[in-house]
Amino acid sequence: EVQLLESGGGLVQPGGSLRLSCTASGFTFSNYAMGWVRQAPGKGVEWVSAITGSGGTTYYADSVKGRFTISRDNSKDTLYLQMNSLRAEDTAVYYCAKGYAVTTGSRPYYFDYWGQGTLVIVSS
Amino acid sequence: DIQMTQSPSSLSASVGDRVTITCRASQGITNSLAWYQQIPGKAPNLLLYAASRLKSGVPSRFSGSGSGADYTLTISSLQPEDFATYYCQQYYSTALTFGGGTKVEIK
Repeated sequence: EVQLLESGGGLVQPGGSLRLSCTASGFTFSNYAMGWVRQAPGKGVEWVSAITGSGGTTYYADSVKGRFTISRDNSKDTLYLQMNSLRAEDTAVYYCAKGYAVTTGSRPYYFDYWGQGTLVIVSS
Repeated sequence: DIQMTQSPSSLSASVGDRVTITCRASQGITNSLAWYQQIPGKAPNLLLYAASRLKSGVPSRFSGSGSGADYTLTISSLQPEDFATYYCQQYYSTALTFGGGTKVEIK
C-alpha cells in the first residue's frame, strides 16, 4: 500500500524558512517522480514543484521559483521542500504526491497518490 | 502557463442525477488531462487521466471525454459519496496547472 507522510509544517513569520519532509513507503521510491501541491484555506489546489525519480531535474511554479527548493534522498525514501523567504500568500496545506511519469527520468504528468498534507501558516 | 477554466464553479444535484463538469484550457492540450475528486478535509484523489482513462478502482459511473482544449467529466448517476469538489489538471506543459474546481452539492 502506497503511503506518503508529510511533516515539518507549522507557524513561521514572513521572511522566514521552513523545510517540509515527505516519507514514502509501499513503492520503489527512486523509480517515481514526485511533487508538492498546495491548497490555501478555502481555495483550490495549486501545483508547487516536482522532481524526477533520480532527482536530476526539478520544476517549479512561477509563484515559488527562486524561493523554494525541492530535493529527494532516495536512500531514505524521502522528499523535501525547502521554503525560504516565506510570504503570507504561501499559507496553505502542502501535499506530497507520487507522480506518474512516462519513464523514471521524466517529469510527473499527474499524481496518483497523495499524502494527508501538512499545514504551513505564514504570519507575524 | 496554460490556464484551466472549469464550469460551473458549483452545482446542486440530487442522487441519481447525471452531472457534467467542463474544463477548458487556454490552448490545446492533446488529451493531457487528469481529473481529481476532493472530499472536504481530505487530499485530492485521482479519478481519470489521459482525459478518459479511469484509474483502477474508480467506479465506472465516472467518465471523461474531450479533445483539443475542451474536456468534460461526467458522473452518470450521482451517488451520496460523490458530493465533493472536482478539479481538472493539465500536464501538456511542464508547468502543471489545475482548474479552479467545481463543488458538487446536494440539492
